[in-house]
Amino acid sequence: GAGVSQTPSNKVTEKGKYVELRCDPISGHTALYWYRQSLGQGPEFLIYFQGTGAADDSGLPNDRFFAVRPEGSVSTLKIQRTERGDSAVYLCASSQDREAGELFFGEGSRLTVL
Amino acid sequence: ILNVEQSPQSLHVQEGDSTNFTCSFPSSNFYALHWYRWETAKSPEALFVMTLNGDEKKKGRISATLNTKEGYSYLYIKGSQPEDSATYLCAEGPGGYQKVTFGTGTKLQVIP
Repeated sequence: GAGVSQTPSNKVTEKGKYVELRCDPISGHTALYWYRQSLGQGPEFLIYFQGTGAADDSGLPNDRFFAVRPEGSVSTLKIQRTERGDSAVYLCASSQDREAGELFFGEGSRLTVL
Repeated sequence: ILNVEQSPQSLHVQEGDSTNFTCSFPSSNFYALHWYRWETAKSPEALFVMTLNGDEKKKGRISATLNTKEGYSYLYIKGSQPEDSATYLCAEGPGGYQKVTFGTGTKLQVIP
């Protein structure tokens, strides 16, 4: 596909469960970002990858959140022991490896923790 | 300014009116200023990425200006149409090789 693909588009889970959210970026984009958007807020930065490595994970809220990008393409955001406060839209974006590159977003994964 | 801030938070305008909103950002260590449009049930799409003080960019009826010394950018929409209804996000950061920080957005509703 031509754009950023995120799966699942919707995920409903119970408090305490483990969740994985997947992002497939645009082919050739080395930069990949995860954001979280809660109601009434702007996208909140979680983590940024350059290639396979997490270049900046300062936005991950706690150690229940983890993200990987083992081959420098697809990324998975993993949330352990989910809490109701984790409910949000999780957005993934990718960008070319150049200064002032615009971000290309997926449609997001809406997570609801009951 | 420590964070990226946007105002107003929301606004309603009549079809045909022109409107503008503001993005404020830290002026130190500036890299680039981004504007995105986010329509309901879609993904955010880039409108502009600006890097130089005094930059002005235009796409159809939408334009933006940038003042990096005082840390603000304006987005203008001329002759608003119902299809302009969306949340407009601004963000600061180089994109492509470092973190990009978003504001909370301005939600625009254009009334036919």
